[in-house]
Amino acid sequence: QLQLQESGPGLLKPSETLSLTCTVSGGSVSSNIYYWGWVRQPPGKGLEWIGTIYYSGNTFYNPSLKSRLTISVDTSKNQFSLELTSVTATDTAMYYCARRADWFPGWFDPWGQGILVTVSS
Amino acid sequence: QAVVTQEPSFSVSPGGTVTLTCALSSGSVSTNHYATWYQQTPGQAPRALIYNTNIRSSGVPDRFSGSILGNKAALTIAGAQADDESHYYCVLYMGGGISVFGGGTKLAVL
Repeated sequence: QLQLQESGPGLLKPSETLSLTCTVSGGSVSSNIYYWGWVRQPPGKGLEWIGTIYYSGNTFYNPSLKSRLTISVDTSKNQFSLELTSVTATDTAMYYCARRADWFPGWFDPWGQGILVTVSS
Repeated sequence: QAVVTQEPSFSVSPGGTVTLTCALSSGSVSTNHYATWYQQTPGQAPRALIYNTNIRSSGVPDRFSGSILGNKAALTIAGAQADDESHYYCVLYMGGGISVFGGGTKLAVL
């Protein structure tokens, strides 16, 4: 059974860089039929798609985050990662990683449990 | 960037049927948007209910169904139960690898 687990710091100061890793177990990030993605949810608010990566390194980013965002994949560790630079309080959110089907974009399943990231001075 | 709009809130009586919708600011929703619907209860990660407009995810009861109604994607819940009280989110694929979530609908069963 595929499982995803987010890891990273829970607290950042404004202007710092957020780095999160999603570790995949029970499956491989090198699969050529899946993408891997990040979604976030500010407290009490809705979901926001952040970006998606293919095992080859091909990426798709939310245009509103693109200038600050890098998503990468490490097939040797079966992980993929997110880096978001120059964070502000508006980046405070629960961050989820998830698998996305190649042939059904938008279908993220399963999801990790999420990691709460707070940006505060 | 396109805006995806959902009803902020909705209520349904136990046993009743409710249809939640997902609209696109820039035009009509079609099957090319591969509408996907998620259910989220407090403190939990979202759970996929419907993908590719009308395909139920594994384990999802058949009282959940997806469709295109007019120019919107729609999620219909028949025979609503108390544990259907959740937030429901749609996401539309815009092409070029980009997906956009709607703002979500808070469904009350009362």
